[in-house]
Amino acid sequence: EIVMTQSPATLSVSPGERATLSCRASESVSSNLAWYQQKPGQAPRLLIYRASSRATGIPARFSGSGSGTDFTLTISSLQSEDFAVYYCQQFNNWTTFGQGTKLEMK
Amino acid sequence: QVQLVDSGGGVVQPGRSLRLSCAASGFTFSTYDMHWVRQAPGKGLEWVAIIWYDASNKYYADSVKGRFTISRDNSKGILYLQINSLRAEDTAMYYCARGSGRQSYGDFFDYWGQGALVTVSS
Repeated sequence: EIVMTQSPATLSVSPGERATLSCRASESVSSNLAWYQQKPGQAPRLLIYRASSRATGIPARFSGSGSGTDFTLTISSLQSEDFAVYYCQQFNNWTTFGQGTKLEMK
Repeated sequence: QVQLVDSGGGVVQPGRSLRLSCAASGFTFSTYDMHWVRQAPGKGLEWVAIIWYDASNKYYADSVKGRFTISRDNSKGILYLQINSLRAEDTAMYYCARGSGRQSYGDFFDYWGQGALVTVSS
């Protein structure tokens, strides 16, 4: 099983600032990586797929990068609605999720 | 618009069974692989099962193999998850999710249901 490790577990950032979330795979997943946002009491929402493609309706302030084992989700200028938990997911070999990064307001 | 509506959750005693349903609308259900993903209270996401678009193949996470059965009715646009021999560790929110394509062994999920909460307790 491919293990996905996200860091940090919690990230405190002020509105308007940039947030950078990391995800590392225990072996190469090529570009078969997705990012999801989950708010309390809601289902996850797809943000990024194939490492860098934005899903339908996702604002341009969300961007993804990386390939192989190291990936990054960047939110360029945080809005109040962006504070949530973010999960990465590999789908190169079946599918596994990271443990999540909680993005909280500083 | 694409909509997935999960139902069938509840409080169930250990060892009993439960069937979850996911009603799909707004897309051609029979052309997409479908998945179940669960989330224990306060925990992360765990993939549970996949069924190919034509039901020709089904695959399960090791943690549920032999107790869970995924199925679909393409004529009605409904996805099912039959859960047998429920255990306390099966307590979770269960989400149906649409895969992005067909005949996949791994996929990302572009639409999700709202979830059905299963609580296993005596």
